[in-house]
Amino acid sequence: RKEVEQDPGPFNVPEGATVAFNCTYSNSASQSFFWYRQDCRKEPKLLMSVYSSGNEDGRFTAQLNRASQYISLLIRDSKLSDSATYLCVDLTGTASKLTFGTGTRLQVTL
Amino acid sequence: DGGITQSPKYLFRKEGQNVTLSCEQNLNHDAMYWYRQDPGQGLRLIYYSQIVNDFQKGDIAEGYSVSREKKESFPLTVTSAQKNPTAFYLCASSDNVRQPQHFGDGTRLSIL
Repeated sequence: RKEVEQDPGPFNVPEGATVAFNCTYSNSASQSFFWYRQDCRKEPKLLMSVYSSGNEDGRFTAQLNRASQYISLLIRDSKLSDSATYLCVDLTGTASKLTFGTGTRLQVTL
Repeated sequence: DGGITQSPKYLFRKEGQNVTLSCEQNLNHDAMYWYRQDPGQGLRLIYYSQIVNDFQKGDIAEGYSVSREKKESFPLTVTSAQKNPTAFYLCASSDNVRQPQHFGDGTRLSIL
C-alpha cells in the first residue's frame, strides 16, 4: 500500500462549484500534512498546511480526520484559475521527509 | 528576491555522459532536497541534506550523486549509471525537515 494515496481524477467541475478531494495516509504516526498545487509543467507550490482542528484560507478549507486517516481539501466557488493538480503531502516522522501523493487533477470549466 | 534557482531549465545528455544540475537558494534554509517527477506520476525523493556537509539517500538514489559543501548550494549529478534519466528534476529547500518545502522551477533532462 502506498503511504499517501489520492484519486488522480480528473475532477471536471463548472465555475462556481464546490469541490472536495480526499487523501488517505497509511502511517498512523504521521504528524502534519500540507496541500500543494502544481500547474502543468511547473513546480509544486505550497497551498496550505493542514491543522488537526481544520483550517480555512479564503475559498480553501483543509481538514484532518485522524480516525479514518485522511485529509481533505475543499474549494468553494471554483475559479478557472483553480485548474491544476493538487498534491497532498505527509510528513513522516521516522524518515524525516515529505511523502507526496501523486496528485488529483482539477479542471474548472465555464 | 529570496528564492531557489535551478539551472539550466532544459538539459540534454548524451549516452554515457554525466551531467550536473545546479540548485542555489538564498533563503538561509538548512535542508535541501532533490526530487524526480515522471509524466503523470508523483514526486520521488532522490537525495536530501539536513545540514552542510551531510546528505542522505532518498528512495531512488541509484545513479545519482550530490554534494553539500555550502549551505546555499546542493548540486545533483546524474551519472551514466542512471539508465532512464529523462524526467523533470525539482530542487527544494526548507528551514528543517519538518517544515514545508519550497521548490525551484525545475530542470527538464532529456537523452539525445
